[in-house]
Amino acid sequence: TQLLEQSPQFLSIQEGENLTVYCNSSSVFSSLQWYRQEPGEGPVLLVTVVTGGEVKKLKRLTFQFGDARKDSSLHITAAQPGDTGLYLCAGFGYNFNKFYFGSGTKLNVKP
Amino acid sequence: ETGVTQSPTHLIKTRGQQVTLRCSSQSGHNTVSWYQQALGQGPQFIFQYYREEENGRGNFPPRFSGLQFPNYSSELNVNALELDDSALYLCASSSFRGSTDTQYFGPGTRLTVL
Repeated sequence: TQLLEQSPQFLSIQEGENLTVYCNSSSVFSSLQWYRQEPGEGPVLLVTVVTGGEVKKLKRLTFQFGDARKDSSLHITAAQPGDTGLYLCAGFGYNFNKFYFGSGTKLNVKP
Repeated sequence: ETGVTQSPTHLIKTRGQQVTLRCSSQSGHNTVSWYQQALGQGPQFIFQYYREEENGRGNFPPRFSGLQFPNYSSELNVNALELDDSALYLCASSSFRGSTDTQYFGPGTRLTVL
């Protein structure tokens, strides 16, 4: 079983629509990161959240860390074709000194 | 400042063979982590090297081994290759800040085991 569950697994939307991707766990994390990965490339870090309830914004992307630090969400406003890619969350846990990645959400934004 | 580079880009091996993958870390970074990413999955942590010492290992068998050199570049060695070892192997370099680490990933090495 995955330590971090991401949903949905796949998302295909039209340009201009809004979307939310979820990252859930039964474990508590000291930090949670979101990455975007494009085909043929390694993941690129978008944000790190460390405080329960924390909200960070990066242009049209809004990231939230759950109050209990077990879950996170990524909301994209007015999606654009350039947002297409694999979105990965990764948690750094208190009891394991490394990052665990979720299985990812594959987003396709159609023009 | 150069980014993280990996070599080779692609590799095809047969079952039972051995493979060595290489990673050059970003300038100023002392930590390299290796990940295995199967098709359609997220990266799985293999191990991390900090200042030439192994600093944590994931759930991978001993036939996965590594090295970090004084210039902080790193190698991943896999012995007795199995079909399930086919994956994208990613390395990430960082300055070791634990939970707030910013990992910079290379483009990966695509390994196919036939």
